Amino acid sequence: GAVVSQHPSRVICKSGTSVKIECRSLDFQATTMFWYRQFPKQSLMLMATSNEGSKATYEQGVEKDKFLINHASLTLSTLTVTSAHPEDSSFYICSARGYPGRPYDGYTFGSGTRLTVV
Amino acid sequence: AQKITQTQPGMFVQEKEAVTLDCTYDTSDPSYGLFWYKQPSSGEMIFLIYQGSYDQQNATEGRYSLNFQKARKSANLVISASQLGDSAMYFCAMREGADSSYKLIFGSGTRLLVRP
Repeated sequence: GAVVSQHPSRVICKSGTSVKIECRSLDFQATTMFWYRQFPKQSLMLMATSNEGSKATYEQGVEKDKFLINHASLTLSTLTVTSAHPEDSSFYICSARGYPGRPYDGYTFGSGTRLTVV
Repeated sequence: AQKITQTQPGMFVQEKEAVTLDCTYDTSDPSYGLFWYKQPSSGEMIFLIYQGSYDQQNATEGRYSLNFQKARKSANLVISASQLGDSAMYFCAMREGADSSYKLIFGSGTRLLVRP
């Protein structure tokens, strides 16, 4: 149990276009979704936290108009990188909370998306 | 201010030996949780072990154990009998508060290389 499916695993897009990344909780209801960004050889930096049905809470320094997060259902959250630029190239990974019966290790991570903007 | 500190950017260990990865944290919240994750080159985050701030005993999960020293605010990961497959990045993370909906903050990570 406790699987989060993240797609796509890799994406290459042209500068100026938008890219959507999906995270689906397959066997539980993800009440909270966290979105992280990781540059090569660096740590995971939290971008935003989203709760189902409400607006996402962005961390300081993260442009909410550039990184659009939608958490419209308990099993799906999306991150859209709008007007992507080469500096947006990074590894994006989601983490869902909500798996029943696991109050402490209840953060289930997706497999990540490697975004390259050319 | 840095809340999670991992001072070892890289570590080497001989296969079958034990290794300790350091982690110190900073929080004023009496209720918190400490996590260790393994990230292989594929990028996935693999949960290893958890320690709650009120847990009386150090956590253990198979070959992984957590050396929790609350007064020193340290939560070092000990891997016993290292295997070649243990080569990966290891991240220490902290959740402040009792609710697991609280966000996880990660340390900078330690790259472990297991030598045959």
